[in-house]
Amino acid sequence: EDQVTQSPEALRLQEGESSSLNCSYTVSGLRGLFWYRQDPGKGPEFLFTLYSAGEEKEKERLKATLTKKESFLHITAPKPEDSATYLCAVQAAYAGGTSYGKLTFGQGTILTVHP
Amino acid sequence: GAGVSQSPSNKVTEKGKDVELRCDPISGHTALYWYRQSLGQGLEFLIYFQGNSAPDKSGLPSDRFSAERTGGSVSTLTIQRTQQEDSAVYLCASRMTGTNTGELFFGEGSRLTVL
Repeated sequence: EDQVTQSPEALRLQEGESSSLNCSYTVSGLRGLFWYRQDPGKGPEFLFTLYSAGEEKEKERLKATLTKKESFLHITAPKPEDSATYLCAVQAAYAGGTSYGKLTFGQGTILTVHP
Repeated sequence: GAGVSQSPSNKVTEKGKDVELRCDPISGHTALYWYRQSLGQGLEFLIYFQGNSAPDKSGLPSDRFSAERTGGSVSTLTIQRTQQEDSAVYLCASRMTGTNTGELFFGEGSRLTVL
């Protein structure tokens, strides 16, 4: 069974204090790993897709990286508006490379950035 | 509409009653997902539609839960004989076939409270 574990559960930073969020995963065959951001009372919003170990993606103050067992979301010089819950998800590739499309999500990391 | 629309946004019901939750995906999106998010928990996969068929319904927790999709568009999630443990936010998401298979567009959810 696919599993995703995120750490820490919660992270409090001062504005400008860089840090990283971790996503560890086990999946029979990885088709893709995805990061989402969720604001209170809203649905998750897509951030990044990573397909293979060594891949990196960047967007503003966020950079996502991937190894064979985990992914990191690096936040550089965060601002209060970066406060949100960050969710990691994996999609498995089944026999023949097909996928039924199911994403398995972790429980998320609640990030709070203080001014 | 511009985004995924869900209704009702809030539903309070008594234990034992049936409820229907509706999802109107982004026009042209052939894939549709239902997830459940309980307080402080990650997203729990329920069911995935491709067009009107459901190749993966492995996440439906019991036979009280059912979902259908008609016309390749609107989907309804029905919960019969609701229980208190069904209380959660039910999220719907859609995406286009052939695109990044992990880039889901989520609605804002239907918050269900079972008294």
